[in-house]
Amino acid sequence: NAGVTQTPKFQVLKTGQSMTLQCAQDMNHEYMSWYRQDPGMGLRLIHYSVGAGITDQGEVPNGYNVSRSTTEDFPLRLLSAAPSQTSVYFCASSSAQGTTNYGYTFGSGTRLTVV
Amino acid sequence: GDSVTQMEGPVTLSEEAFLTINCTYTATGYPSLFWYVQYPGEGLQLLLKATKADDKGSNKGFEATYRKETTSFHLEKGSVQVSDSAVYFCALRITSGTYKYIFGTGTRLKVLA
Repeated sequence: NAGVTQTPKFQVLKTGQSMTLQCAQDMNHEYMSWYRQDPGMGLRLIHYSVGAGITDQGEVPNGYNVSRSTTEDFPLRLLSAAPSQTSVYFCASSSAQGTTNYGYTFGSGTRLTVV
Repeated sequence: GDSVTQMEGPVTLSEEAFLTINCTYTATGYPSLFWYVQYPGEGLQLLLKATKADDKGSNKGFEATYRKETTSFHLEKGSVQVSDSAVYFCALRITSGTYKYIFGTGTRLKVLA
């Protein structure tokens, strides 16, 4: 009963470094997304995907790339880390199936610090 | 565009007090509405949901009713406990093809013993 698994849980990067945050779900959910959570700003959508091979931008996509080659995995790539990307990142998944009835299942988060 | 507005926190209550956290929304179509809870150091968890007008979602003593006429989905609990201290997020899921979620900014609740 794994749900949504995010790795790593904590990461410190130097400015300019790149890295990939991993997200995997075992519920066969079509819909996956990445959010960042910053103090006083709630959740902001970075990128989302409605199925394998389909991705789209959210409200704060700059500096991040995603791909969805399988239903299970939705990695988030930071191309050249900046201090402004210091945040807590959450991956979430949901069934879609042509209805709005389904809630999200969230991962436990990745706390990223860029120095 | 679609949006969710929550009351600003923090909300500080004594144990056994009545809780209301206000949430209003703007959306085209007929969205589903959700409340999520985030405990310290954890991800968000689905607390309750309502999928059509006049539906009441409930879980763990929390309730919220989907009010289409006032575009609201206020969260209530009759008697809060210290363990309810967390951040609460109101959200909607839009009915367009992407079925995207829209979240409020969250309301921090602190319950004192």
